Amino acid sequence: GENVEQHPSTLSVQEGDSAVIKCTYSDSASNYFPWYKQELGKRPQLIIDIRSNVGEKKDQRIAVTLNKTAKHFSLHITETQPEDSAVYFCAASRGAGNMLTFGGGTRLMVKP
Amino acid sequence: GAVVSQHPSWVICKSGTSVKIECRSLDFQATTMFWYRQFPKQSLMLMATSNEGSKATYEQGVEKDKFLINHASLTLSTLTVTSAHPEDSSFYICSARLPHTYEQYFGPGTRLTVT
Repeated sequence: GENVEQHPSTLSVQEGDSAVIKCTYSDSASNYFPWYKQELGKRPQLIIDIRSNVGEKKDQRIAVTLNKTAKHFSLHITETQPEDSAVYFCAASRGAGNMLTFGGGTRLMVKP
Repeated sequence: GAVVSQHPSWVICKSGTSVKIECRSLDFQATTMFWYRQFPKQSLMLMATSNEGSKATYEQGVEKDKFLINHASLTLSTLTVTSAHPEDSSFYICSARLPHTYEQYFGPGTRLTVT
């Protein structure tokens, strides 16, 4: 089955700096890669996703890049703000109707 | 759009009793819903995939007879924890797939405490 590794497990940045979280996956058939943000005690929220037919996707301050050959994808957050502090999870899936396999999570702390 | 609710948000029960958790897609129909378990400071662990009108598919190591899943309609899936024990205490979260997309949206979770 799919295995998703996520690094780093914790990340501390200064407000205004950029943050990068990286994930690798093992199943070459995976073609959908979402990122979720989870604040303490709350539900994971889908913040951005990418499908395997594109290499990069951007939405305001967040972007995701995908390298299918190397089987890794990354989340980039620019101009970080304290409200970006949360746990971020990457995931991989073979697509519609299929299960998501989650990475271990990254606790991002943005210091004001 | 794409709102998923869960009920109850928290529940405390005694060992040996059963607890039912409901997951509803409020503004869309979901043929597929998923149930996860999350321990403190850990990732989400898939327990089972719930398909409307058919039996759930359980992940390896998850007891079917203990965690009963019923997806009776296109907007409702239920998870019943039978004969609960303290080790079943956890945060249970469901998700529903938005039709014609790959996107999954999560419910707010249910914190179960078994005493």
